[in-house]
Amino acid sequence: AQKITQTQPGMFVQEKEAVTLDCTYDTSDQSYGLFWYKQPSSGEMIFLIYQGSYDEQNATEGRYSLNFQKARKSANLVISASQLGDSAMYFCAMRGANDYKLSFGAGTTVTVRA
Amino acid sequence: DVKVTQSSRYLVKRTGEKVFLECVQDMDHENMFWYRQDPGLGLRLIYFSYDVKMKEKGDIPEGYSVSREKKERFSLILESASTNQTSMYLCASSSPRQAPGGYGYTFGSGTRLTVV
Repeated sequence: AQKITQTQPGMFVQEKEAVTLDCTYDTSDQSYGLFWYKQPSSGEMIFLIYQGSYDEQNATEGRYSLNFQKARKSANLVISASQLGDSAMYFCAMRGANDYKLSFGAGTTVTVRA
Repeated sequence: DVKVTQSSRYLVKRTGEKVFLECVQDMDHENMFWYRQDPGLGLRLIYFSYDVKMKEKGDIPEGYSVSREKKERFSLILESASTNQTSMYLCASSSPRQAPGGYGYTFGSGTRLTVV
């Protein structure tokens, strides 16, 4: 079974600054995938970024990057140049090898201040 | 551009009622999922289905059942609603053909259920 831990319930960040959201995971699988989703106050879940366990480079998507440290089993999300629209809850998720389903962390609420 | 549709955005039901939450996807996805989301607990898997008429229990199936008679539709049933089932319910679908990494989810907009 996969376990995802997000230890930061809430964070404040100043507009235009970078913020790092922590995510650690526990699995015995060698092949797995890591995902980050954003959930604004409207409730929809928006896919942000994906990292495969065998990907050698850290994933990047625009202002989002994933700091993947396999040995430490950590997959932190970095949001650069924060914008007011980044205020939302962020979930880290994981899919194990040959698994249909995702396991999610508890989430981190980010509030961007002007 | 609608992908995963949940029939109700907000729902208020009485204790003991039988409640149906409907989810429809138009992407021909094989897999469909029901999660509930509670503050501090993240998303917890209730049931999932990887094919028509197939279902598997997730982490918290007690008090729920599901039905998947057609590929595009996955229903969550609360047999006898209780106040501890007040929550946000999220439906999702996925396919091994879907980027990224296969099995990434597309979510519905959620149903906020209140049981009184």
